[in-house]
Amino acid sequence: AQTVTQSQPEMSVQEAETVTLSCTYDTSESDYYLFWYKQPPSRQMILVIRQEAYKQQNATENRFSVNFQKAAKSFSLKISDSQLGDAAMYFCAYRSGGYTGTASKLTFGTGTRLQVTL
Amino acid sequence: DTAVSQTPKYLVTQMGNDKSIKCEQNLGHDTMYWYKQDSKKFLKIMFSYNNKELIINETVPNRFSPKSPDKAHLNLHINSLELGDSAVYFCASSPYLTGQTQYFGPGTRLLVL
Repeated sequence: AQTVTQSQPEMSVQEAETVTLSCTYDTSESDYYLFWYKQPPSRQMILVIRQEAYKQQNATENRFSVNFQKAAKSFSLKISDSQLGDAAMYFCAYRSGGYTGTASKLTFGTGTRLQVTL
Repeated sequence: DTAVSQTPKYLVTQMGNDKSIKCEQNLGHDTMYWYKQDSKKFLKIMFSYNNKELIINETVPNRFSPKSPDKAHLNLHINSLELGDSAVYFCASSPYLTGQTQYFGPGTRLLVL
């Protein structure tokens, strides 16, 4: 079974600075997908970024980028120019690349709470 | 134009009661999910339906019964509610194609007293 580990329960960053959230995962599969979701106090789960394991290029979405190290099974999220609105819980998630029904589920890490200070 | 909606958003009830949570998506997706987020914020899959067919049934007490009347709706019925059922329940949907992003509803906070 796949596992996802987020070793930083809490992180803090000053506004306009850069912060990196860590995520490691364990899998024997070669085809899979990785996601970062954001959960602000409103409770809504919002997709931040996704990465296909077969792609060597790291995904980027505006101020958000990932450092995907497939051999090390590491998938960190970098937030540049942090804003107050970035304060939230951030969850790393894994999805198998398989086509069977059970492959479609997301396996989540325990989350990292990000505080943004002035 | 809400993509994935859930009702109700809050549910407070007594132990032993039966309750239902409804989910609807207007994204045209054919796969829907129920996830449970516990008090420590940990999210775990409970069920998934593809085109009204159950495809994922994790280790969940059989007091929980999902029902999908059509591919746009997935409801969760919970019998004989227990204190430990208190959590936030999220509905999500995605296309069935591999690797597709799942889109989440706003969550239903269930409190069992």
